Amino acid sequence: GAGVSQSPSNKVTEKGKDVELRCDPISGHTALYWYRQSLGQGLEFLIYFQGNSAPDKSGLPSDRFSAERTGGSVSTLTIQRTQQEDSAVYLCASSFSLAGGRGGEQFFGPGTRLTVL
Amino acid sequence: TQLLEQSPQFLSIQEGENLTVYCNSSSVFSSLQWYRQEPGEGPVLLVTVVTGGEVKKLKRLTFQFGDARKDSSLHITAAQPGDTGLYLCAGAANSGYALNFGKGTSLLVTP
Repeated sequence: GAGVSQSPSNKVTEKGKDVELRCDPISGHTALYWYRQSLGQGLEFLIYFQGNSAPDKSGLPSDRFSAERTGGSVSTLTIQRTQQEDSAVYLCASSFSLAGGRGGEQFFGPGTRLTVL
Repeated sequence: TQLLEQSPQFLSIQEGENLTVYCNSSSVFSSLQWYRQEPGEGPVLLVTVVTGGEVKKLKRLTFQFGDARKDSSLHITAAQPGDTGLYLCAGAANSGYALNFGKGTSLLVTP
């Protein structure tokens, strides 16, 4: 398929454990975004990668959250010492980049549903 | 963070009825997008509006961007069960990339 893929689709973990969530963007898309969608809430921006530029981490809720993008393609979102409030659907999106650093249409993956017990 | 308020939060109607969903903000956006999300899937872009006062039609869906680029509406004519889903509006600030999303309107259309 040519869309954004995410794995795993579901993750159940115990409080205090670390988790890694993976995103494979659409080939050729230089911009990659992570969002979090909690029950009853809208999508919350977490982090943005654009080419080789330093990522915009301004949306990360705490220092337990980090993300990498290797080789300008696959990205991994890591949550350390998970808490129950981290339970949410984590969505990844990718896009082409427009002039001036602005992003084009964002294509979303199906998300990873994280449940912290 | 530029907040987007959507209303109503929930909407349950019968097939054939018309409906309007609203997206309001006190902030100005360079563009505004509407997405539809089904359970277990990511949001899918329906439309992007850029110009104040712009109206776009997508079959039975009509999207309008307010003159001041602070609000938008989505009108569905003769709703069908296939329209059921979560409708999200998202605004892009002038700085570009990150989208600010509303909490969504959950629409249920029953036969």
